[in-house]
Amino acid sequence: SYELTQPPSVSVSPGQRARITCSGDALPKKYAYWYQQKSGQAPVLVIYEDNKRPSGIPERFSGSRSGTMATLTISGAQVEDEADYYCYSTDSSGNQGVFGGGTKLTVL
Amino acid sequence: QVQVVESGGGVVQPGTSLRLSCAASGFTFSTYDMHWVRQAPGKGLEWAAFISYDGGTKHYADSVKGRFTISRDNSKNTLYLQMNSLRAEDTSVYYCVRGKDRWLQSRFDYWGQGTLVTVSS
Repeated sequence: SYELTQPPSVSVSPGQRARITCSGDALPKKYAYWYQQKSGQAPVLVIYEDNKRPSGIPERFSGSRSGTMATLTISGAQVEDEADYYCYSTDSSGNQGVFGGGTKLTVL
Repeated sequence: QVQVVESGGGVVQPGTSLRLSCAASGFTFSTYDMHWVRQAPGKGLEWAAFISYDGGTKHYADSVKGRFTISRDNSKNTLYLQMNSLRAEDTSVYYCVRGKDRWLQSRFDYWGQGTLVTVSS
């Protein structure tokens, strides 16, 4: 079955740039979406269709996609950005949704 | 305001069945595709099932295909997940999720708080 691969963890200091990657063979033809999940809470959409930011999401969150890799970038990470981040997309048929394994972002 | 509220979780034995419900309010339920997403304790998110706005199209993750059935009653603004032949690995929090866009290439813009299903003997 189709898989999206993320690094298990990323660590940055406050104010630094954090980059979280997501790789998958179908990404050249499928959008990537990014979700933030803080401990004990439901996930929140932070990026959709590769690089669009929902209303209410800070401008420091941005996304990009190139070839088989999508990237979530947090420019000037804040302590409150500590969370698990998941990419989401579909397989090449578009009939199965897939989440990446998740990346734990530590900001300290 | 938009709300989706899951119910029906609990502790069940392996091999048995359970039906989850999701009550939707604050939006025109019959015009939105819906999904179930699950999360095992301490693990990542797993997309489980999709149903189109009119119930005419359904898709499932390989891990639940043939055992789980997604359905909806637009007259009751309710989404369902019928889970049969439950296994220990189905133990998860199950989230009811609204799809903002059509099909599976979609923003998941509203999530419920989840209902916990525990499969254990």
